[in-house]
Amino acid sequence: EPEVTQTPSHQVTQMGQEVILRCVPISNHLYFYWYRQILGQKVEFLVSFYNNEISEKSEIFDDQFSVERPDGSNFTLKIRSTKLEDSAMYFCASFGAEAFFGQGTRLTVV
Amino acid sequence: AQKVTQAQTEISVVEKEDVTLDCVYETRDTTYYLFWYKQPPSGELVFLIRRNSFDEQNEISGRYSWNFQKSTSSFNFTITASQVVDSAVYFCALSEALMDSNYQLIWGAGTKLIIKP
Repeated sequence: EPEVTQTPSHQVTQMGQEVILRCVPISNHLYFYWYRQILGQKVEFLVSFYNNEISEKSEIFDDQFSVERPDGSNFTLKIRSTKLEDSAMYFCASFGAEAFFGQGTRLTVV
Repeated sequence: AQKVTQAQTEISVVEKEDVTLDCVYETRDTTYYLFWYKQPPSGELVFLIRRNSFDEQNEISGRYSWNFQKSTSSFNFTITASQVVDSAVYFCALSEALMDSNYQLIWGAGTKLIIKP
């Protein structure tokens, strides 16, 4: 079965630091997404990416966030200056006939 | 506006019992998709099913079954003969059909299912 791979599985960073979360989506899918889930809460949409540009983004996805797919393989989410409230599980997703999520990256901002 | 409601915050049953997780949605779209995901304690999101709004046929996959009722805007999920490994948080989600394979999921709050041995 195809799978979406995310690295790292857990990242601890100091407030104000930049982090890059990495994802390898399913190669023949066209749309890629980032979602986040604050501990104990519902999953929230951040951004969708199609044809090397952002397709949709939520209010959460402000100027401190950016996404790119630099090499046609990895799909990255960058948070420029992390805040305590950015602590969450971040999920990458790849959608085709089914909608697959990666195993998530747990980001802890201290 | 789109909305997904999972009114059951937590359900606890004894192993081998059947259990139904409720999902009620709101949308003005005529074409939309409904999803169920399982989130085990390890945290990943496991895809269970996607159903489009034109297909009201109920689906069965092993011990899992889904009942889609457009008339009541519900997409309920039943686990038959539950097992301890079914313990997880289950999320229902809704997406309008933006473009082919482009889904912007709106998530319910999740139902925590506890299966006791």
